[in-house]
Amino acid sequence: EAGVTQFPSHSVIEKGQTVTLRCDPISGHDNLYWYRRVMGKEIKFLLHFVKESKQDESGMPNNRFLAERTGGTYSTLKVQPAELEDSGVYFCASSQGGPLNTGELFFGEGSRLTVL
Amino acid sequence: AQSVTQLDSQVPVFEEAPVELRCNYSSSVSVYLFWYVQYPNQGLQLLLKYLSGSTLVKGINGFEAEFNKSQTSFHLRKPSVHISDTAEYFCAVTASNDYKLSFGAGTTVTVRA
Repeated sequence: EAGVTQFPSHSVIEKGQTVTLRCDPISGHDNLYWYRRVMGKEIKFLLHFVKESKQDESGMPNNRFLAERTGGTYSTLKVQPAELEDSGVYFCASSQGGPLNTGELFFGEGSRLTVL
Repeated sequence: AQSVTQLDSQVPVFEEAPVELRCNYSSSVSVYLFWYVQYPNQGLQLLLKYLSGSTLVKGINGFEAEFNKSQTSFHLRKPSVHISDTAEYFCAVTASNDYKLSFGAGTTVTVRA
């Protein structure tokens, strides 16, 4: 069975441009999460989908970030316009069922974003 | 809210030597604790987790961790490391009924022959 897949693995863009990151969760996983790691610091929560609904987007940095999950399957995270401080690794994760103490969280390999 | 502090950013260690990675957490409620590992060019993989019960938790690849509530710690140990254990290790915490993980900054373990 395929794991969580993310695309692209690495994106280099200039400040002011737009980038869209994609995540395909494990089939059947209703919960989908986005996390970000900036410059070797902590991995930080961005948002959580349950199926197609945003359950918690408290970690989204600002309105330049837009996440969608069409039909409750794959998800996209768009950054528009990108700023230098958006550089980092964006991780997607998925899980079945309930809270994290009830099931395992599976992570993708991450999408590295470099904004020049 | 919860927070995690990983006390060592880099840990160099010789092959077959023991290693301990330190993790302390802060929380006003009961927590569940996790260790994840990221091997080069791979995603994060769950090493082990503490949910309840025995405070000594065994995980994959010979790793174990001990939950110490009084010291709010969850240190990770392996008695004898291999070259293949070279990776970055992350401690994480969540609260009951929560869907978010709070991570530490990571500890890079480099195993040398």
